[in-house]
Amino acid sequence: GESVGLHLPTLSVQEGDNSIINCAYSNSASDYFIWYKQESGKGPQFIIDIRSNMDKRQGQRVTVLLNKTVKHLSLQIAATQPGDSAVYFCAEIDGSGNTGKLIFGQGTTLQVKP
Amino acid sequence: EPEVTQTPSHQVTQMGQEVILRCVPISNHLYFYWYRQILGQKVEFLVSFYNNEISEKSEIFDDQFSVERPDGSNFTLKIRSTKLEDSAMYFCASTLDYFSYNEQFFGPGTRLTVL
Repeated sequence: GESVGLHLPTLSVQEGDNSIINCAYSNSASDYFIWYKQESGKGPQFIIDIRSNMDKRQGQRVTVLLNKTVKHLSLQIAATQPGDSAVYFCAEIDGSGNTGKLIFGQGTTLQVKP
Repeated sequence: EPEVTQTPSHQVTQMGQEVILRCVPISNHLYFYWYRQILGQKVEFLVSFYNNEISEKSEIFDDQFSVERPDGSNFTLKIRSTKLEDSAMYFCASTLDYFSYNEQFFGPGTRLTVL
């Protein structure tokens, strides 16, 4: 069956450093991927997305890389700030359906040390 | 900026009781979703709703669950007879148009505690 998973449960970085959060997916038919940030007690917040016809997309301080060959997704955060501390989830749109349902990975906790 | 709202923020109930979780999606959105997140775990899909009917539901969404859009603005999730394992955060989400890969906006969630 399809699944979206993350490599590391917790990532601790120094403020100002760059962060890289990884994600593996198994459904090669998935065609849309999203990174969400979830702060404590809040709902998931959209960060950045990428379609399967792209391999890189940049936002403000964030970059998502997609490697379809190895079915790997990563989120890079430049100059990590204390406000970036949260749980980060990758998610995919289930390409087998027509409902837009999101399949989430387990989540990586990002801890930013001052 | 438009946002998805949910009420209540926290609901405590006794096992076997019925609960209704309420959501107000973004007004021009067409696709609506409920997800749940058990403490410390990933977010799981429950149900999707479009054009006043369920378009997909997960194995979690059994006969004890139902959804409704009673008045064109609210979107509710009802659990008829709650179980201890229903304790979780429940998130409502909406999107304008799934086929155009539009962002799915999430509400702040309702924390359901079943005693």
